[in-house]
Amino acid sequence: GEDVEQSLFLSVREGDSSVINCTYTDSSSTYLYWYKQEPGAGLQLLTYIFSNMDMKQDQRLTVLLNKKDKHLSLRIADTQTGDSAIYFCAESIKYGNKLVFGAGTILRVKS
Amino acid sequence: KAGVTQTPRYLIKTRGQQVTLSCSPISGHRSVSWYQQTPGQGLQFLFEYFSETQRNKGNFPGRFSGRQFSNSRSEMNVSTLELGDSALYLCASSPGLAGFYEQYFGPGTRLTVT
Repeated sequence: GEDVEQSLFLSVREGDSSVINCTYTDSSSTYLYWYKQEPGAGLQLLTYIFSNMDMKQDQRLTVLLNKKDKHLSLRIADTQTGDSAIYFCAESIKYGNKLVFGAGTILRVKS
Repeated sequence: KAGVTQTPRYLIKTRGQQVTLSCSPISGHRSVSWYQQTPGQGLQFLFEYFSETQRNKGNFPGRFSGRQFSNSRSEMNVSTLELGDSALYLCASSPGLAGFYEQYFGPGTRLTVT
């Protein structure tokens, strides 16, 4: 089946690292995504990883993919108050031409 | 390059009416997908259009329909609006079929049905 699960809430202090976790079910996924949504806004594509990669780094963002366990994580280094938002994990369903999203993780950054 | 644009940004309609939302993808992108976001159901896939053809459809009633034009712009229509149709409707643009390429979202259209 198609299902993506995420923890609902994460609170960190400014300057700390944040790690948001996600599990997915479709082994044929081509891409796995992390999107950020701020209040009243659309989805901002933060980063994505192709399913044949283990890790991708992009400035403060590090994505780790464990295909065996179908586990994806997003690490944000030196978390800032501007990082406070909802973060969505999504997998692309290869033969369905669509994304399946998790429920979103609310990241709260305390100064 | 300009991003994905959606119009209108906000809309208030009455139950029973119909509504048309518009999406212009990133220049050169040929795929447009639509998603509905609600607090209760989260983000759910509505449909994808590629080269003016619907390639996939989510689990929504026939009141929800869409189309894509030759310039890749897309519209979605909801007829006989219900209160439960109140949601943020998001459009995503992709260079090719959505399952094989990264997708970029627009700011959304906030639809309120009263």
